[in-house]
Amino acid sequence: GQNIDQPTEMTATEGAIVQINCTYQTSGFNGLFWYQQHAGEAPTFLSYNVLDGLEEKGRFSSFLSRSKGYSYLLLKELQMKDSASYLCAVKDSNYQLIWGAGTKLIIKP
Amino acid sequence: TAGITQAPTSQILAAGRSMTLRCTQDMRHNAMYWYRQDLGLGLRLIHYSNTAGTTGKGEVPDGYSVSRANTDDFPLTLASAVPSQTSVYFCASSERTSGRDSTGELFFGEGSRLTVL
Repeated sequence: GQNIDQPTEMTATEGAIVQINCTYQTSGFNGLFWYQQHAGEAPTFLSYNVLDGLEEKGRFSSFLSRSKGYSYLLLKELQMKDSASYLCAVKDSNYQLIWGAGTKLIIKP
Repeated sequence: TAGITQAPTSQILAAGRSMTLRCTQDMRHNAMYWYRQDLGLGLRLIHYSNTAGTTGKGEVPDGYSVSRANTDDFPLTLASAVPSQTSVYFCASSERTSGRDSTGELFFGEGSRLTVL
């Protein structure tokens, strides 16, 4: 079967750096997405990786290793507003999006 | 800018009743989707539409139906609601399509929280 694994919850301190991991087993691969979802709100797009390597976008970076079925989202200079759930999703060989259950990130002052 | 508008925001429904969740987008996107989100599970695709006039089944289509009469509207209907359909429902759209899902970014509505008793 197809599977996306992410930690259920993580805690970090304001101003620090946190890395949220995502491992996947899917039938084929056509890209990996990260979305941010604040409680009670809609998911919003953060990043898209289709090739191996690091994509940097301001305080957020996303890394992909297709051979390892692995990605991470790196958040730097954490702010309280970064408290949210982070969703990993993989597009399989049929271009179907498979979603992880999300990682709830708690930021403490 | 409105983006995607869903209605109602929340609803309590008696089991056996029918319900239509409305979704309207103003971005002229070709593809639209309905997902449900349940605690501890990833988003699950219910139905999708790659373009006006066409629809397809997602991962969990049973008990739901959709229509796509025009580009902007994509309503989701529960013909006879059951408690297992208690969930948060998200409508989404994307500009480009490739198979059942797009290659591009998804834009989500704010969600409709449905409770079936």
